[in-house]
Amino acid sequence: AQTVTQSQPEMSVQEAETVTLSCTYDTSESDYYLFWYKQPPSRQMILVIRQEAYKQQNATENRFSVNFQKAAKSFSLKISDSQLGDAAMYFCAYRSRNNDMRFGAGTRLTVKP
Amino acid sequence: GAGVSQSPRYKVAKRGQDVALRCDPISGHVSLFWYQQALGQGPEFLTYFQNEAQLDKSGLPSDRFFAERPEGSVSTLKIQRTQQEDSAVYLCASSPPTGNTIYFGEGSWLTVV
Repeated sequence: AQTVTQSQPEMSVQEAETVTLSCTYDTSESDYYLFWYKQPPSRQMILVIRQEAYKQQNATENRFSVNFQKAAKSFSLKISDSQLGDAAMYFCAYRSRNNDMRFGAGTRLTVKP
Repeated sequence: GAGVSQSPRYKVAKRGQDVALRCDPISGHVSLFWYQQALGQGPEFLTYFQNEAQLDKSGLPSDRFFAERPEGSVSTLKIQRTQQEDSAVYLCASSPPTGNTIYFGEGSWLTVV
């Protein structure tokens, strides 16, 4: 089974600064998808960004970008110009093609004004 | 609404009571997933349906947990003889036939007292 590891239980960033959240995964598959989800206290999972493993170009969504290193099985999330509304739990997730999705344990991000 | 709908949003059950949690996926979504999220942890996979077929139930923690999706749309997660360790948020998610993104509901918060 695939496993997803987030080694940073908590991270803190100053407003307007940049922060990087780490994620590694273990798989024997070559075709899969990777995601970052944001979860505020309401527990609603909100998609932040996604990456197809066959694409070499790193995904970018406004202030959010990823550093996808397929050989190293690493998928980090960079948040630029951090805002107070970015504070939440962030989950890295792996999904094999047409299969279930597995999550990491999460990183709690605090944004300091 | 257009999103994944879950009910009840909040449920308090006495230990030993049976509960049923309902998920109404986005119309046309073939895949449906159930996750269990304990406080302070990431979502843990429970089970996965493609249409009415339950393709993976490896995450169900015990035979007290049962899920069904008889007509390939609405799904019900049933927990028999609830125990305190069943207290968690139960997240339902669905995905379309051709997409790779999973869309989540707001969750059903179960507290067993």
